[in-house]
Amino acid sequence: DTEVTQTPKHLVMGMTNKKSLKCEQHMGHRAMYWYKQKAKKPPELMFVYSYEKLSINESVPSRFSPECPNSSLLNLHLHALQPEDSALYLCASRDAGQSSYEQYFGPGTRLTVT
Amino acid sequence: AQSVTQPDIHITVSEGASLELRCNYSYGATPYLFWYVQSPGQGLQLLLKYFSGDTLVQGIKGFEAEFKRSQSSFNLRKPSVHWSDAAEYFCAVGPMEYGNKLVFGAGTILRVKS
Repeated sequence: DTEVTQTPKHLVMGMTNKKSLKCEQHMGHRAMYWYKQKAKKPPELMFVYSYEKLSINESVPSRFSPECPNSSLLNLHLHALQPEDSALYLCASRDAGQSSYEQYFGPGTRLTVT
Repeated sequence: AQSVTQPDIHITVSEGASLELRCNYSYGATPYLFWYVQSPGQGLQLLLKYFSGDTLVQGIKGFEAEFKRSQSSFNLRKPSVHWSDAAEYFCAVGPMEYGNKLVFGAGTILRVKS
């Protein structure tokens, strides 16, 4: 089973709202990623968690706050977003113990900021 | 610096015709190479990967790719395209030195005409 699930599928929020995106995997992967993808562009890496610790923050604005409560779950907390933050947000996971490096992606959350 | 180039932004092929999508990479060591496919509004699905060994690798959905070190290329091929193959295809290389990141190409949009 190589499934990564993401909820919700779609989210519309105002610039003053607080919301969260959720990502879950049960493959025992200990590396998890958040990406942002704009239309017709490749995914842009935002954050990497390795063994539940934040290992990479790609200079993401503080209005995005990641959280990894356990080895299966990854959250992205959103607050005071801007319309330009509207995008597809993808979660991915990787088996950190293997030197294979392939990442498995979830279906994404389509975020619209109004 | 590590990078991936997909020279074709769009490709249109007739259903039943053969397909080749080009990918060139720049990487200092032996690369790990991947092809992903993304249907509109969906996440990325791993088609195939190359780490070492046989330079012709088979993937899912009838796709294959050939690693050519001398040309720094990893082109994706399919002998007979189906209408359901219409999607965007991303080539990726890794791992990056820090954080086992992947670098993605800009993507190639495949259109299939009947």
